[in-house]
Amino acid sequence: GAVVSQHPSRVICKSGTSVKIECRSLDFQATTMFWYRQFPKQSLMLMATSNEGSKATYEQGVEKDKFLINHASLTLSTLTVTSAHPEDSSFYICSALLAGGQDTQYFGPGTRLTVL
Amino acid sequence: AQSVTQLDSHVSVSEGTPVLLRCNYSSSYSPSLFWYVQHPNKGLQLLLKYTSAATLVKGINGFEAEFKKSETSFHLTKPSAHMSDAAEYFCVVTPGGAGGTSYGKLTFGQGTILTVHP
Repeated sequence: GAVVSQHPSRVICKSGTSVKIECRSLDFQATTMFWYRQFPKQSLMLMATSNEGSKATYEQGVEKDKFLINHASLTLSTLTVTSAHPEDSSFYICSALLAGGQDTQYFGPGTRLTVL
Repeated sequence: AQSVTQLDSHVSVSEGTPVLLRCNYSSSYSPSLFWYVQHPNKGLQLLLKYTSAATLVKGINGFEAEFKKSETSFHLTKPSAHMSDAAEYFCVVTPGGAGGTSYGKLTFGQGTILTVHP
């Protein structure tokens, strides 16, 4: 149980294009999902908290207009990197929090974004 | 405010020998603590968690960790390392309890890369 998927697992795009990454909780409902970014050989950095049916909460320094988050249902959150540039190349990981007060996050397998 | 310090960036052991990955934390709340493992280019897998129940927590794959409030530590151990244990390990803290603006927010340590030699 508690499986989180991400799609795509890997994407290469040209500079200036937009890329959408999906995060799904497959066997549970998640009122809250989180998006992280991980640079090579570094730890995870929280980008934003995504709550179903409301606006995402962004961490300081994260551009909300560049990283659009939509949490349309209890099992799906999407991250869209708009007008991507090479510096946006990174490993993006989502996690989902079990609904009902539990504080364990279950992580997706990650999406490797490469912007040329 | 909360923070996590993993005391070793790299740990190298021989197969069959014990593993010790050290973690110290600070938290303004009664925290929940986790250890996650990440294999290369993969997401994070939960190894174990402490949420104010038993201080000695047993996880998957033979790992366990002991919560020591007096030392603000949550070290991860395993009696005998396997080659498949080679990965990066993250110690993570979150404020305990439900609700509040910090609910669910994880603070990650910098990670410890475990190498296992044959």
